[in-house]
Amino acid sequence: DGGITQSPKYLFRKEGQNVTLSCEQNLNHDAMYWYRQDPGQGLRLIYYSQIVNDFQKGDIAEGYSVSREKKESFPLTVTSAQKNPTAFYLCASRITGNRGNTEAFFGQGTRLTVV
Amino acid sequence: KQEVTQIPAALSVPEGENLVLNCSFTDSAIYNLQWFRQDPGKGLTSLLLIQSSQREQTSGRLNASLDKSSGRSTLYIAASQPGDSATYLCAVRTMDSNYQLIWGAGTKLIIKP
Repeated sequence: DGGITQSPKYLFRKEGQNVTLSCEQNLNHDAMYWYRQDPGQGLRLIYYSQIVNDFQKGDIAEGYSVSREKKESFPLTVTSAQKNPTAFYLCASRITGNRGNTEAFFGQGTRLTVV
Repeated sequence: KQEVTQIPAALSVPEGENLVLNCSFTDSAIYNLQWFRQDPGKGLTSLLLIQSSQREQTSGRLNASLDKSSGRSTLYIAASQPGDSATYLCAVRTMDSNYQLIWGAGTKLIIKP
């Protein structure tokens, strides 16, 4: 089945650790996105990539890093510099033909907790 | 800067009622507006996508309308069922932010059996 797969579903991080969240899509979408979701707030954009080997910072990129070595994969690393990483992380993708008018599809999310 | 607001933040209604969820946005220069559903602890499921040139979209018991000039969209749910209980999010894709989605905080809907 085509879709977006995020793993793991739950992730626990100790203070000072870096952790990497996986996002894979087999939809042949050009653009991929990482969002952070906190209770009572709208989704906030962390990083996005519109083409392989290129990515851009979103609104809250500090303490996060990404790579886009393959079209299908857009992993997110939460570094020790991110002081409040406990949140629900969502990955999305879409086709970028015609630029703005295509639909976004989402993975099932990863819940990250600092222990 | 585009802002998206969803009111109310939570809504509880008896099963079988028709209901309307509201989404407002401050800048009418949008490409489209998308409604999503989110179940607890899950990702987002796209419900309806309305392009800026469209007035409404329908899927089953769901109907979404768009009034760009007034900066408003509504999601109408007919004959609500307990399975409709979820958080409903709206997002607009704007023309001034490199095609990014700007999000409302969502409306948490509870349908009582």
